Amino acid sequence: NAGVTQTPKFQVLKTGQSMTLQCAQDMNHEYMSWYRQDPGMGLRLIHYSVGAGITDQGEVPNGYNVSRSTTEDFPLRLLSAAPSQTSVYFCASSQGLGVDEQFFGPGTRLTVL
Amino acid sequence: GQNIDQPTEMTATEGAIVQINCTYQTSGFNGLFWYQQHAGEAPTFLSYNVLDGLEEKGRFSSFLSRSKGYSYLLLKELQMKDSASYLCAVRRYGNNRLAFGKGNQVVVIP
Repeated sequence: NAGVTQTPKFQVLKTGQSMTLQCAQDMNHEYMSWYRQDPGMGLRLIHYSVGAGITDQGEVPNGYNVSRSTTEDFPLRLLSAAPSQTSVYFCASSQGLGVDEQFFGPGTRLTVL
Repeated sequence: GQNIDQPTEMTATEGAIVQINCTYQTSGFNGLFWYQQHAGEAPTFLSYNVLDGLEEKGRFSSFLSRSKGYSYLLLKELQMKDSASYLCAVRRYGNNRLAFGKGNQVVVIP
């Protein structure tokens, strides 16, 4: 199993550009989520999904969209990039509830100029 | 909402024991997780507590007191590879969302 994969690993955007961060998992996990991690702020939840076709907002959803058309994939779209979105983005997945750790992807380092 | 507090940094000597604390305030508590994160890498799962008491896993132990909103992670026989950030995260009933603390950076010196 590859686990949770993310692409790209690094990305530089100009203000106003849009892009999609890809996330895929091959563990048949129902729950997937996107976090951003900034120095001194810890991991903050952007959006999450409890299954295909179901998404919901997390703590910091503004400026981001998600969709979940399949169990495996959970892309994160930046609609119009801003310097405040410079961050490291992690995708995570888990089976559901219970003793159910989240498995994290390797992250995408995004810089918005 | 949830309020999770962790001290920011500590230094410890190889072979020593270090305790990392986490306090939280939340309604509908449904579990506390500890993750380890090396610089430039993704967090990896260390332990989980949902009932009061101590969970032991090799050199790592985690303790929970729900009435006090308090947990700690104990790292024994410290090794250089234990230099990392340690994150605590709280889950609430009704969903699988985790709220993370800011993490505690542990630096192990020879």
